Amino acid sequence: AQKVTQAQTEISVVEKEDVTLDCVYETRDTTYYLFWYKQPPSGELVFLIRRNSFDEQNEISGRYSWNFQKSTSSFNFTITASQVVDSAVYFCALSSTGANSKLTFGKGITLSVRP
Amino acid sequence: DAGVIQSPRHEVTEMGQEVTLRCKPISGHNSLFWYRQTMMRGLELLIYFNNNVPIDDSGMPEDRFSAKMPNASFSTLKIQPSEPRDSAVYFCASSVQWYGNTIYFGEGSWLTVV
Repeated sequence: AQKVTQAQTEISVVEKEDVTLDCVYETRDTTYYLFWYKQPPSGELVFLIRRNSFDEQNEISGRYSWNFQKSTSSFNFTITASQVVDSAVYFCALSSTGANSKLTFGKGITLSVRP
Repeated sequence: DAGVIQSPRHEVTEMGQEVTLRCKPISGHNSLFWYRQTMMRGLELLIYFNNNVPIDDSGMPEDRFSAKMPNASFSTLKIQPSEPRDSAVYFCASSVQWYGNTIYFGEGSWLTVV
């Protein structure tokens, strides 16, 4: 069975602070994919990143960066110099690759960035 | 390119009424998903289709829920009869040949059953 744990439920920071959102996953599969989605107050779910289990390189996209560590089964997301527009719920998700695989979501982390 | 299109965006209905939610997936995507989001249960997969065929409907809560995909560009999720506990945001999503590919979500249909 797959499981995604986002232990932090709510985080509040002041603009320009760096913030890291934690994600820990469980799976028995050797091949799997990890995702992050953003859900702003308007409600849509926006895809941010997809990473396969064989690629442990960290990724940076502007102010966003992701740290994938198989040894600790973690896929953490850091926002550098946070902005008010980063305020949203962030979901980590996991899927395997079989035909019956499902995209399993964590509970989400509510990030509030105050001006 | 157009994303996943859902309608209606918002619906308020009375208990016992039939509700039909509609979805148009991204062109070229052959996997389609229906998710439900509530505060209590988070994001739950209700059903998914591959090439218009339902693959896994184990998440459909009860017989009151049904989903169809008559062609590659259209799907419906129907609730009959609706109940207040069905109030939630229902997301449709699609991907290219689901086996771990990225799933793209629509904007959601916000359902309130009173």
